[in-house]
Amino acid sequence: KNQVEQSPQSLIILEGKNCTLQCNYTVSPFSNLRWYKQDTGRGPVSLTIMTFSENTKSNGRYTATLDADTKQSSLHITASQLSDSASYICVVSVNNNDMRFGAGTRLTVKP
Amino acid sequence: DAGVIQSPRHEVTEMGQEVTLRCKPISGHDYLFWYRQTMMRGLELLIYFNNNVPIDDSGMPEDRFSAKMPNASFSTLKIQPSEPRDSAVYFCASTAIPDTQYFGPGTRLTVL
Repeated sequence: KNQVEQSPQSLIILEGKNCTLQCNYTVSPFSNLRWYKQDTGRGPVSLTIMTFSENTKSNGRYTATLDADTKQSSLHITASQLSDSASYICVVSVNNNDMRFGAGTRLTVKP
Repeated sequence: DAGVIQSPRHEVTEMGQEVTLRCKPISGHDYLFWYRQTMMRGLELLIYFNNNVPIDDSGMPEDRFSAKMPNASFSTLKIQPSEPRDSAVYFCASTAIPDTQYFGPGTRLTVL
């Protein structure tokens, strides 16, 4: 069983709308949790990184939250744009270089 | 900086052939990672180096896979012999500290 579960698997929203992606993990203990954005045909790009003691981190229209007690994280995208269409990958690190990857959520933003 | 550079971007080969993927990390980065990504398994860490030394290769699927880093600006991932199930996108990433990793554009490998 994957130690990092993401939901939904895919999501379609209209441009301008908000959305929230979920990441549940069983990895424990962990040092940090990251969200990556991966455009089609490109490598992942880091959006946010949070340690277990942080519970929110923003990067422009992207806001990640973390509840270490319930082992849940979410990535909220505000006022979506067509360029937000991508896969979003949650990565939980046991230590700095032992990482567990979620399968990703495929987001499509339509005009 | 040009970012992490990978070559080739696409590789099509026949089963049994040797495949060599190349990576040039961002200058000054001490860590280099090799990943494989497939639809079925998502992203998987294969191996990573610190200061050109392999630290953890537990993700390397089998002996057919090998990776080297002869100097701070170059690494290779070799598959010999290649098999159809090796078809995937292979990413190289680098970082200065164990924090945010910078990924290259990937090499799409197809083994026929």
